[in-house]
Amino acid sequence: AQTVTQSQPEMSVQEAETVTLSCTYDTSESDYYLFWYKQPPSRQMILVIRQEAYKQQNATENRFSVNFQKAAKSFSLKISDSQLGDAAMYFCAYRRGYMNYGGSQGNLIFGKGTKLSVKP
Amino acid sequence: GAVVSQHPSRVICKSGTSVKIECRSLDFQATTMFWYRQFPKQSLMLMATSNEGSKATYEQGVEKDKFLINHASLTLSTLTVTSAHPEDSSFYICSARAAGRENSPLHFGNGTRLTVT
Repeated sequence: AQTVTQSQPEMSVQEAETVTLSCTYDTSESDYYLFWYKQPPSRQMILVIRQEAYKQQNATENRFSVNFQKAAKSFSLKISDSQLGDAAMYFCAYRRGYMNYGGSQGNLIFGKGTKLSVKP
Repeated sequence: GAVVSQHPSRVICKSGTSVKIECRSLDFQATTMFWYRQFPKQSLMLMATSNEGSKATYEQGVEKDKFLINHASLTLSTLTVTSAHPEDSSFYICSARAAGRENSPLHFGNGTRLTVT
């Protein structure tokens, strides 16, 4: 079974600084996707960034980028120029590739989350 | 972009009553929808996978007779919490994937906070 581990329950960053959130996962599959979701106090799940396992290039979305280390099964999120609005829970998630869906139907497996605080 | 509407956003009910939560895909068809449950300060745990026109698949430990799922159309899945008890109080979130786009990201509803008194 696949597992996702976020070892940092809470992190704090100064506004305008950079912070990195850690995520490791365990899988025996080669085709999968990794995601970072943001959940602000409103509880809405917002997709921040996603990475296809077959792509070696790290995904980036504006101030958000990932460091995907496939061999180490590591998928960290870097937030640059942190803003007050970045304060939220961040969840790392894993999903099988379509050809391996099987009974999972492609559901997401979430880590326990990291609560990010941004200090003004 | 793809929008998933979940209703109600908040509901308070008395112990022993039933509550229905709706999850609608507004601008796309969803053959598969997922129902998650999130306890305070915890992660999202998959409860069941809802497939249009067929029976839902429940995760281990989730009572199918207590959490009834119906996915009668390509745009609507409902979760009914039957004979609710205070321990069912939680945050329930649905998500959906566009039909024919199996590798696309899931789209989430805004969630429903259920409080059973």
